[in-house]
Amino acid sequence: EVQLVESGGGLVQPGRSLRLSCAASGFTFDDYAMHWVRQAPGKGLEWVSGISWNSGSIGYADSVKGRFTISRDNAKNSLYLQMNSLRAEDTALYYCAKDMGPGIAVAGAIDYWGQGTLVTVSS
Amino acid sequence: DIQMTQSPSSVSASVGDRVTITCRASQGISSWLAWYQQKPGKAPKLLIYAASSLQSGVPSRFSGSGSGTDFTLTISSLQPEDFATYYCQQANSFPSFGQGTKVEIK
Repeated sequence: EVQLVESGGGLVQPGRSLRLSCAASGFTFDDYAMHWVRQAPGKGLEWVSGISWNSGSIGYADSVKGRFTISRDNAKNSLYLQMNSLRAEDTALYYCAKDMGPGIAVAGAIDYWGQGTLVTVSS
Repeated sequence: DIQMTQSPSSVSASVGDRVTITCRASQGISSWLAWYQQKPGKAPKLLIYAASSLQSGVPSRFSGSGSGTDFTLTISSLQPEDFATYYCQQANSFPSFGQGTKVEIK
């Protein structure tokens, strides 16, 4: 059974940093691309960042480019999102998500999602 | 960036109704489109990928069609458990989602 378990969310002040983690199990982690997708309270889904199976291809939404960094550790079956210079508009539930294929931006859909970790940016 | 526009934003329907949701891409995406269902407090669930391929375990009353820029999700006979919000997502480049369509009880 595929499981994606996010952690690291919480309340943080504007301008500070936070690191999200996602522990994956139930599939061969290093065969698939992974993504972070967020959802602000009462709003729709927004893709944040994605990373290919071997970290060779990485992408970011314009809204987080230069502030967020995605990474993965295939030996630990883990995905990460380092979030710096956080803003109030980054407040959202952050989902870790598995792609159907090994690459990002190469025709994959997202077939599994975690339950999300809530990030609240407020003073 | 590819923009995805869904219509309608919400639809009121009754059990047994046929419901159609459309999604338009700002540029051609071939058949690289997925549909998701999200219920309150839950993570999204993949329904359809590659525009018309039914994800394993998804009931056959869900179907998808389209290519290029115009796509459709159809629920042939709405069931009580189908009241939810539906999102399209293009998979031709870095992912982007439509704004969602809420299917409500009439």
